[in-house]
Amino acid sequence: DTEVTQTPKHLVMGMTNKKSLKCEQHMGHRAMYWYKQKAKKPPELMFVYSYEKLSINESVPSRFSPECPNSSLLNLHLHALQPEDSALYLCASSQDLPWSGANVLTFGAGSRLTVL
Amino acid sequence: DAKTTQPTSMDCAEGRAANLPCNHSTISGNEYVYWYRQIHSQGPQYIIHGLKNNETNEMASLIITEDRKSSTLILPHATLRDTAVYYCIVSGSARQLTFGSGTQLTVLP
Repeated sequence: DTEVTQTPKHLVMGMTNKKSLKCEQHMGHRAMYWYKQKAKKPPELMFVYSYEKLSINESVPSRFSPECPNSSLLNLHLHALQPEDSALYLCASSQDLPWSGANVLTFGAGSRLTVL
Repeated sequence: DAKTTQPTSMDCAEGRAANLPCNHSTISGNEYVYWYRQIHSQGPQYIIHGLKNNETNEMASLIITEDRKSSTLILPHATLRDTAVYYCIVSGSARQLTFGSGTQLTVLP
């Protein structure tokens, strides 16, 4: 298995809803990432987990709450989002740790979020 | 954190080589050059990376200048399916993969 699987592919939520995005990989990768991508913009790093521990938080608002229950699974819990949070949310994983030098990321197809 | 400069867009005829340039004049000694591409509304796809030497794999070749201040990604025989945004990224032990604006490559029939 050489894939990163993200669910759901599409999500529509109201500003008062609580929802979660899920990411799974079975490649034995030790680091997992969340990126956010607005239309016609490059992906922006949000969070990095290494060995299931949060190692990087790029000053992301607390309405986004990441969770790494085990080495294969990464969640992004969403609460009280704003319409401007509508974006493509990308998950990635890497065999090597973020600070190890050469570090190739494998990305999922993304979850497209619309906040009404 | 080294930054990269790429042309906004490029066209290439199908079957011809596509040469995508990238400037990274502030790259430091332990930073790698990576290339990813993103086909519309899909996740980015890794293409190739290198440190000092030129690299080649089944997808592309990466040419890095001797001073490491610039590089070129070469797709030897571009096809319509190579139409995508190509990102050149410099990253090392101190910093994660940070995407720049990228180059929109359009392969023309």
